[in-house]
Amino acid sequence: SQQGEEDPQALSIQEGENATMNCSYKTSINNLQWYRQNSGRGLVHLILIRSNEREKHSGRLRVTLDTSKKSSSLLITASRAADTASYFCATDWTGGFKTIFGAGTRLFVKA
Amino acid sequence: GAGVSQSPRYKVAKRGQDVALRCDPISGHVSLFWYQQALGQGPEFLTYFQNEAQLDKSGLPSDRFFAERPEGSVSTLKIQRTQQEDSAVYLCASSFRDINTGELFFGEGSRLTVL
Repeated sequence: SQQGEEDPQALSIQEGENATMNCSYKTSINNLQWYRQNSGRGLVHLILIRSNEREKHSGRLRVTLDTSKKSSSLLITASRAADTASYFCATDWTGGFKTIFGAGTRLFVKA
Repeated sequence: GAGVSQSPRYKVAKRGQDVALRCDPISGHVSLFWYQQALGQGPEFLTYFQNEAQLDKSGLPSDRFFAERPEGSVSTLKIQRTQQEDSAVYLCASSFRDINTGELFFGEGSRLTVL
């Protein structure tokens, strides 16, 4: 498989709690991105972090990147029921033209 | 249009039929990607175009799969002699960048069911 690994595979939390998702990858990268996908829909870009960055914030999202461990995490603070979706990390591979997606974390936020 | 448009949204094919899936990227976007997404899985890379040039087709699962983008805009993914294992959602994405260093804009996908 081309995909990296994400954990957990599924996460169920109460509204207002924080959600943390982790991603590990295998190759050297230019950037790492996080995407969201609602059921039956296309993917929507959330945030991009460059390989020389360690942390980035956007609204309720916080992303960290550790290139020495080839891992990233996405934190969603103060979650809402509308955050229920699948979340994917994607790596922009330095060796070619592929943007490679992980298997995703399915987040369910209970109202 | 404002976004990436894919058609058809749903396609049911009998095993052995040929299918063609269309992607209309955002105007002016240089890069175009095709992905295959099985149920409950992440998107798997199929192929990449930079304008009309197909620079990476390493993800195409067999020679039954063929993609083209003849004028550097609209792209078509063709699957010949469809098999049940081809059932999946086929996603198209485009980007204004000429390499894989930025945000991808995705269409809603074409869901293919092979009976």
